[in-house]
Amino acid sequence: GEDVEQSLFLSVREGDSSVINCTYTDSSSTYLYWYKQEPGAGLQLLTYIFSNMDMKQDQRLTVLLNKKDKHLSLRIADTQTGDSAIYFCAEIGGSYIPTFGRGTSLIVHP
Amino acid sequence: DGGITQSPKYLFRKEGQNVTLSCEQNLNHDAMYWYRQDPGQGLRLIYYSQIVNDFQKGDIAEGYSVSREKKESFPLTVTSAQKNPTAFYLCASSIGLENEQYFGPGTRLTVT
Repeated sequence: GEDVEQSLFLSVREGDSSVINCTYTDSSSTYLYWYKQEPGAGLQLLTYIFSNMDMKQDQRLTVLLNKKDKHLSLRIADTQTGDSAIYFCAEIGGSYIPTFGRGTSLIVHP
Repeated sequence: DGGITQSPKYLFRKEGQNVTLSCEQNLNHDAMYWYRQDPGQGLRLIYYSQIVNDFQKGDIAEGYSVSREKKESFPLTVTSAQKNPTAFYLCASSIGLENEQYFGPGTRLTVT
């Protein structure tokens, strides 16, 4: 089946930029998503990008997509302690059922 | 306010008992989903439903059952046949299968 890979942990200092990376295998992906999960809560949709785009910016969030390499990244500018959470990458392809990565735990140090 | 509700937030059961987790949405979404999340794991799809009175098995449907009698509701029953039922269960909905999903707050089930 299709697969989505993410690194498990990222640690940054408050005020720095965070970059969370994701790779996927489905060549028919149409949409790619980033979700945020705080402890004990559900997933919150942060942003998404269509597969025919290469960049999307939304306030402090920048999503970059390299379709050739099947690589997606989420950059958070001026990272705050409130950004500490688990971030999930997900893609939807031909099956219309999303495939989620295992999530990246972002730890922000004061 | 529109959204997805799951109840209860915490649920405790004895081994051998069936238990039903509730999921309700007032977003007028056609599609609904159930996922299981274990520590350090991604989300694994249990069942999904595109439309009322229709549902499909996901990757880990064994030991679970669902119904979709109303558009707003998609309850999940964890049966005694599920070997490792202790987990965090997440319900989601979307306008259609190809659209972004919106998640409920989750139910943490503990079976002892």
